[in-house]
Parts: sequence; C-alpha cells; structure tokens
Amino acid sequence: GAGVSQSPRYKVTKRGQDVALRCDPISGHVSLYWYRQALGQGPEFLTYFNYEAQQDKSGLPNDRFSAERPEGSISTLTIQRTEQRDSAMYRCASSSSLAGANTGELFFGEGSRLTVL
Amino acid sequence: QKEVEQDPGPLSVPEGAIVSLNCTYSNSAFQYFMWYRQYSRKGPELLMYTYSSGNKEDGRFTAQVDKSSKYISLFIRDSQPSDSATYLCAMSGASGSARQLTFGSGTQLTVLP
Repeated sequence: GAGVSQSPRYKVTKRGQDVALRCDPISGHVSLYWYRQALGQGPEFLTYFNYEAQQDKSGLPNDRFSAERPEGSISTLTIQRTEQRDSAMYRCASSSSLAGANTGELFFGEGSRLTVL
Repeated sequence: QKEVEQDPGPLSVPEGAIVSLNCTYSNSAFQYFMWYRQYSRKGPELLMYTYSSGNKEDGRFTAQVDKSSKYISLFIRDSQPSDSATYLCAMSGASGSARQLTFGSGTQLTVLP
C-alpha cells in the first residue's frame, strides 16, 4: 500500500484478554517502530526492528508486551492479560533506512486505538 | 522531569501571524532534532529535520536549534488555517540504542481565518 497500515483501527476489550495489533509497513521499508501515544501526549517509544531482528525493546512497559516481525515485513504487537492502563493509541512507523529515527524519516500509520474496559 | 518539555498550548493566532513553537530538553546526547505535524485523528508527519545546532528554512517554516541552551524552535511565517494542527518536537541521539525518537507532548495550534 501507499502508507503504513494498521489494524484494527479500534479495539475494545475486557480486562484480562489478550490483544494483537497489526502493522503493515510501507513496502520495502527495512525499519519498523512501535510507539504508544496517550491523549494529549507525544508518541512514546516501545520497540523497533531492523528487518526481522528486534533491535531495542527497552520501551516495552513490562513482560505482558511483546512484538514480532518474523519475515521482516508485517509486525504484530501483542499485549497479554490487558489492563485498563494499557488503553492508548498504538502507532506503528516505518523507515526506508536503518538510520530511521536519527534522520526523522519515519512514516507513521493512523494507529490502533485500544480501550480496555 | 521529562527529557523533552513542550508547552502544550493551546495556541490560537490570526491568519498571517508569525508563530513560534519551542521545546527544551535535558539530554545532551541528542543530536538530531525534528518537528512533526499531527492533524486530528492522523499520525504524525515529518515537517522539518535538523542536525546539531543551526537554522534550517523550508518555505514558511524555519527550525532553529541551540544546543548550548538545549532549546529548539519552529517558526511559521504567514500562518494559514491549514497550519492548524498539533506540532510535536522530537529528538534522538547519535548511535546504538538511542535510535528511537523522544517526543515532546505537542503544542496544539489553531490559526483563525
């Protein structure tokens, strides 16, 4: 596709359920980033991949959060045993270069809004 | 204290005004500085990018970085209603695990026709 595609756009789930959020980056982009954005705040880094390798997961809040990008393209962010504090907009971004964030060449998707009841 | 501080606004100006948006930061390792624009219900999009200290101009937009003061600015000249959006500053370090961006909280700007 022309841009970064995320699904679902909206997800409402009950506390304790697992959720999986999908990101389809721009074709050919080698780096993929996950961010979380609370209302009225800037995006907060979670993790990123170069190709299929997870390079940095220091931003993942706890071990309920995990991400994978098995074939170096589509990525899934999984949240297990969701809690109300996990409610936020989850944004995916991709970059054509490994330098990615340093040059600001991140292209963001429209996000997946997660609401945990 | 957050690594990047940004006045959230909201900021409301008349069409044609000069707008000044600012961020301060505490991490001296930051070397790459960006401004993103985020329209309502959309993802952020890159507006300006600068490396280290100095000025950069692109049309009506000018980005300034003063590393000695740990202060960055975005100026918008002849502001237009279409400039109404949230403006996020972002920055990152040079290498290794510092490749991820650290964002400010964003300043909401409204340009009134």
